[in-house]
Amino acid sequence: KAGVTQTPRYLIKTRGQQVTLSCSPISGHRSVSWYQQTPGQGLQFLFEYFSETQRNKGNFPGRFSGRQFSNSRSEMNVSTLELGDSALYLCASSDRGDEQFFGPGTRLTVL
Amino acid sequence: LAKTTQPISMDSYEGQEVNITCSHNNIATNDYITWYQQFPSQGPRFIIQGYKTKVTNEVASLFIPADRKSSTLSLPRVSLSDTAVYYCLVGRSHSGGYNKLIFGAGTRLAVHP
Repeated sequence: KAGVTQTPRYLIKTRGQQVTLSCSPISGHRSVSWYQQTPGQGLQFLFEYFSETQRNKGNFPGRFSGRQFSNSRSEMNVSTLELGDSALYLCASSDRGDEQFFGPGTRLTVL
Repeated sequence: LAKTTQPISMDSYEGQEVNITCSHNNIATNDYITWYQQFPSQGPRFIIQGYKTKVTNEVASLFIPADRKSSTLSLPRVSLSDTAVYYCLVGRSHSGGYNKLIFGAGTRLAVHP
């Protein structure tokens, strides 16, 4: 099976802009989770989607949102970008709560 | 979710066995212990999971004492490619619908020639 794919791999934006990141889970996986990784805060959970519904949510402001489509692909959106949003954004998929498989991530730089 | 404590960093040499200990004093009865490995600029990768005693797979062993307040990840005969950050996580098992992983700071393992 193909692994989790994330697009784009790298992105540069300026403050105030918005960005949409995409994640395609492993075929058959219905759960998609998103994480933010920064040198200062480490790996932090953003949210999880299962069957198009948000099932878990971390402690991030409302500027961070996501959605999941009927084919389980997921998108994450960050509005009004701040410098502190520069990070590696990781997506993970799982099947019925089994181990999570992570994608390579999207490296977002906010200037 | 139980908090975990691990050493910030460790050094080893090729061919040695490496043991990374994780402390989780507040582990709950239904919690499992899971270890992930992460290489730079890549997503974490599941290594092993256990509930009690000893679990072994082709990559590592996980030792959990009877009180379950700590656990030890054992990597036999490490190579340079084992240089990575290792995270210990505690929570309900995957099959319990546990998809909200709480990562600590992890242990940065450096393997030297």
